[in-house]
Amino acid sequence: GAVVSQHPSWVICKSGTSVKIECRSLDFQATTMFWYRQFPKQSLMLMATSNEGSKATYEQGVEKDKFLINHASLTLSTLTVTSAHPEDSSFYICSAREPSNSYNEQFFGPGTRLTVL
Amino acid sequence: GQNIDQPTEMTATEGAIVQINCTYQTSGFNGLFWYQQHAGEAPTFLSYNVLDGLEEKGRFSSFLSRSKGYSYLLLKELQMKDSASYLCAVMDSNYQLIWGAGTKLIIKP
Repeated sequence: GAVVSQHPSWVICKSGTSVKIECRSLDFQATTMFWYRQFPKQSLMLMATSNEGSKATYEQGVEKDKFLINHASLTLSTLTVTSAHPEDSSFYICSAREPSNSYNEQFFGPGTRLTVL
Repeated sequence: GQNIDQPTEMTATEGAIVQINCTYQTSGFNGLFWYQQHAGEAPTFLSYNVLDGLEEKGRFSSFLSRSKGYSYLLLKELQMKDSASYLCAVMDSNYQLIWGAGTKLIIKP
């Protein structure tokens, strides 16, 4: 099946710094990637939909200036958490839709655990 | 609004059968997914239903009734490794996934 990778798998940073998370589709081209956030014991929350070559579509309540998304190629999308604060500590997961998949299934990366001190 | 409901937590015994229900109200319907998520890991795909009826895949089966806005995931011959959260998600008319809060399944020996 389609494989999606994320890097880093975990990161600890100081409050006020920026953190970049990469999401790559390894064996397919993904025109659309999704960024989710998951707090402990809660379900996935869609943050934004990332489209290759165009601006991301952000969900209501997600600050586009704080969570910068770049989908520069068909295999790479990046999420940058700018000026991170402790409340941004969460599990960030990306997924990608594989165009030829008849289910419109989303394949998930392994996630990135962000801890902001 | 859009809504997905599933029980918060269920407990079952190793070797037994458990059914996890999911009801939904969404704007449009392009299929229902079940995902398994172990603690600290990303979700992994289990099943997809877009037509009414039962889809069987090994120990796992998933059922859909579109008229009732209802699905269930059936797990047979439970194993300890099946302890995880099970997420129900519906793809709406915009092909966006609407997620339930997940059902934490606890398997006891």
